[in-house]
Amino acid sequence: AQSVTQLDSHVSVSEGTPVLLRCNYSSSYSPSLFWYVQHPNKGLQLLLKYTSAATLVKGINGFEAEFKKSETSFHLTKPSAHMSDAAEYFCVVSERRGSTLGRLYFGRGTQLTVWP
Amino acid sequence: GAGVSQSPSNKVTEKGKDVELRCDPISGHTALYWYRQRLGQGLEFLIYFQGNSAPDKSGLPSDRFSAERTGESVSTLTIQRTQQEDSAVYLCASSLELAGGPFHEQYFGPGTRLTVT
Repeated sequence: AQSVTQLDSHVSVSEGTPVLLRCNYSSSYSPSLFWYVQHPNKGLQLLLKYTSAATLVKGINGFEAEFKKSETSFHLTKPSAHMSDAAEYFCVVSERRGSTLGRLYFGRGTQLTVWP
Repeated sequence: GAGVSQSPSNKVTEKGKDVELRCDPISGHTALYWYRQRLGQGLEFLIYFQGNSAPDKSGLPSDRFSAERTGESVSTLTIQRTQQEDSAVYLCASSLELAGGPFHEQYFGPGTRLTVT
């Protein structure tokens, strides 16, 4: 079975400081992992994805995440937060079978607040 | 190009009424998903259509929920005899998934906010 745990429901940082959003997963199969961002009143947008290639994945807007199988983690980081990064972030896992993703399993989300 | 669209954007209904939500996927996308997002929660999977295969209905919470898809185009999610706990944002996503092909991400629509009074 697949599941995702986002360890923090809220994270607050000052603009210009690093961002760390934590995610642990559980998967019976070789997982595909994603981070999605949801800005207020906007649809979900894919930030980055891991699908068994390089373990350090770079995404849009300066975000990156590292897949650590031994720790079953896929934490999202950014060296320097910007005000526009304030949003809800979802860690997502899928059991990938070939090219078919099937259903996605979402974490409960982490609300990122960025202070000026 | 056009993304995933959903209608209506907002729906308020009385308890006990039926509602129908519509999703127009990206043209050519073979896979279509429905999810539900309750206030303060992550997304819950509801149902998944892939080409001509039988849909994966394992996420539907009760027999009041059903969904159909016409070929590889429009899908409708129907909730019968709505209850207050059905209040949520219903999200649709589509993806180009071809057997033996490369990975493709799911693209999400803006959602339909359903309020059951």
